[in-house]
Amino acid sequence: SSELTQDPAVSVALGQTVRITCQGDSLRGFYASWYQQKPGQAPVLVIYGQNNRPSGIPDRFSGSNSGNTSSLTITGAQAEDEAAYYCNSRGSSREHFMFGGGTKLTVL
Amino acid sequence: QVQLQESGPGLVKPSQTLSLTCTVSGGSISSGGYYWSWIRQHPGKGLEWIGYIYYSGSTYYNPSLKSRPTILVDTSKNQFSLKVNSVTAADTAVYYCARVHIAPDYFDYWGQGTLVTVSS
Repeated sequence: SSELTQDPAVSVALGQTVRITCQGDSLRGFYASWYQQKPGQAPVLVIYGQNNRPSGIPDRFSGSNSGNTSSLTITGAQAEDEAAYYCNSRGSSREHFMFGGGTKLTVL
Repeated sequence: QVQLQESGPGLVKPSQTLSLTCTVSGGSISSGGYYWSWIRQHPGKGLEWIGYIYYSGSTYYNPSLKSRPTILVDTSKNQFSLKVNSVTAADTAVYYCARVHIAPDYFDYWGQGTLVTVSS
């Protein structure tokens, strides 16, 4: 399909591990990038490429890819990780981009 | 450190044209290796990619927006712009500009966003 699918909401207990997934046919050919967005703020890049973190992103954030699914894993979730997370990739036409619908992460 | 800043009217009347400018500092639009993109977010909703421009002027747009957006670049001012014609209330959103690293692709720098409301 020409879209990226994410679960609307996920919760995790403080200090536990959570995986947020993104599914789409285009992910068989292109890596996803992942963005964290807190209320009232611009999105922030947290993972790109095969599994790369920009400077300043904690190493508890990691990414993985398998078939048509890309995953963002937070190992040892902190209260400050509560946010919406979006995946992004090129579409099947290669020229355009698309975002997943977003996953709202709640840290309990 | 690259910075992007959106500017433009916060209120646009229905059927008119929305116009925004993104000013880039700390890096040159002409340096190549990046797309310069617009993204919007309807109130309480997810991110929607609008389109991008390369410094050469090549553009590509989200097909779902049906040819209404136009993105232009002014390398002399290190700016790029967005116009959306024939706006309706459905175009009310926070509009972000961002830099897109090419291969691998990722949106590495974002503006703070600007709210545009379409209302008479």
